[in-house]
Amino acid sequence: AQSVTQLGSHVSVSEGALVLLRCNYSSSVPPYLFWYVQYPNQGLQLLLKYTSAATLVKGINGFEAEFKKSETSFHLTKPSAHMSDAAEYFCAARSGAGSYQLTFGKGTKLSVIP
Amino acid sequence: GAGVSQSPRYKVAKRGQDVALRCDPISGHVSLFWYQQALGQGPEFLTYFQNEAQLDKSGLPSDRFFAERPEGSVSTLKIQRTQQEDSAVYLCASSFLAGGTTDTQYFGPGTRLTVL
Repeated sequence: AQSVTQLGSHVSVSEGALVLLRCNYSSSVPPYLFWYVQYPNQGLQLLLKYTSAATLVKGINGFEAEFKKSETSFHLTKPSAHMSDAAEYFCAARSGAGSYQLTFGKGTKLSVIP
Repeated sequence: GAGVSQSPRYKVAKRGQDVALRCDPISGHVSLFWYQQALGQGPEFLTYFQNEAQLDKSGLPSDRFFAERPEGSVSTLKIQRTQQEDSAVYLCASSFLAGGTTDTQYFGPGTRLTVL
């Protein structure tokens, strides 16, 4: 069964500092991978997705993620944190073609310190 | 509308009551998903519709949970005889294509259900 692990339920960074949110997946086949962001009282918004094209994926709001098969990881990064990045971030996986449900990690809450 | 909408946004029910949660997907989207998000957790899959057909209901936690999408657009998630453990945010998502693709799932704001 597919599983997704996000290391760190809460991450704090200073404004302007690097953001690194970690995600590891467990799958017998290379999955499709997604990062979503959730602001308070709002639905999940897609940041970026990996679909086996390029291993380095660029998303919205300056975020990017790199798929590393050898490490079964898909960590999310942003070079310089902005106050508006404060939110909860979810990594999700879908186990390839023919599978449609997303399996989510438990989420990482990002705080940005001014 | 521009996005997925859900109603009500908040629902308080007494234990044992039945509730119905509505989802209006993006117009023309073939696929519709329901997820349950408990406090402090990531969303967990409940069920999937392709048009009006419910192709997967493996995530529904008990037979008290029932979902339908009779005309292939609006969907309703019904919970009978609610229990305290049903308290969660119920998220609806839709995507343009049929499942099994890399198509993006667009999420609604959710319905927060509190069972007293």
